[in-house]
Amino acid sequence: GAGVSQSPSNKVTEKGKDVELRCDPISGHTALYWYRQRLGQGLEFLIYFQGNSAPDKSGLPSDRFSAERTGESVSTLTIQRTQQEDSAVYLCASSLIKGGNTIYFGEGSWLTVV
Amino acid sequence: AQSVTQLGSHVSVSEGALVLLRCNYSSSVPPYLFWYVQYPNQGLQLLLKYTTGATLVKGINGFEAEFKKSETSFHLTKPSAHMSDAAEYFCAVINSNSGYALNFGKGTSLLVTP
Repeated sequence: GAGVSQSPSNKVTEKGKDVELRCDPISGHTALYWYRQRLGQGLEFLIYFQGNSAPDKSGLPSDRFSAERTGESVSTLTIQRTQQEDSAVYLCASSLIKGGNTIYFGEGSWLTVV
Repeated sequence: AQSVTQLGSHVSVSEGALVLLRCNYSSSVPPYLFWYVQYPNQGLQLLLKYTTGATLVKGINGFEAEFKKSETSFHLTKPSAHMSDAAEYFCAVINSNSGYALNFGKGTSLLVTP
């Protein structure tokens, strides 16, 4: 596609429920990133995928968070047993693998846990 | 790991005045530095980036930034602010510990007054 596509754009869920967020990167981009942006705050790195290499999960805040990516295509971020502090915008981004290459962001999935 | 610090969470300028948004970095290796802009209810858009070469980098919408190694700075400037420049601005540096993921500053909210 022309840009990074994320779905759903908005999600309201009850505390304790699981949610799945989807990201469709730019075609040909081998690197894919997930970030979290809480209201009024900066972006927190969550996880990074590069091709078929093991993902860098160093930013995941707890074991309730997980992500998968099949090859160089779609990725899903799953949050289990959601808590109110999980409310945030979850941003997906993709890039080519090259130092200094531009990272392109999707418009985000707004998650509200009530 | 590389990091950036943005000085001033809120900056207010008059329309037509100089815009100066400050960013200092910390890096043990030559950094790749970026400025992103986030307009209300939109995703992040790259303004400009520095990788190698010329230290004065020009970006979109009349913005530019200068990489100053001696000052470990990468401040963003624009000679004359427009109302449409009101947005959140994020400075970022490549996190070499996480592939090509970016470490973001906390952001600076720019307000432009008539």
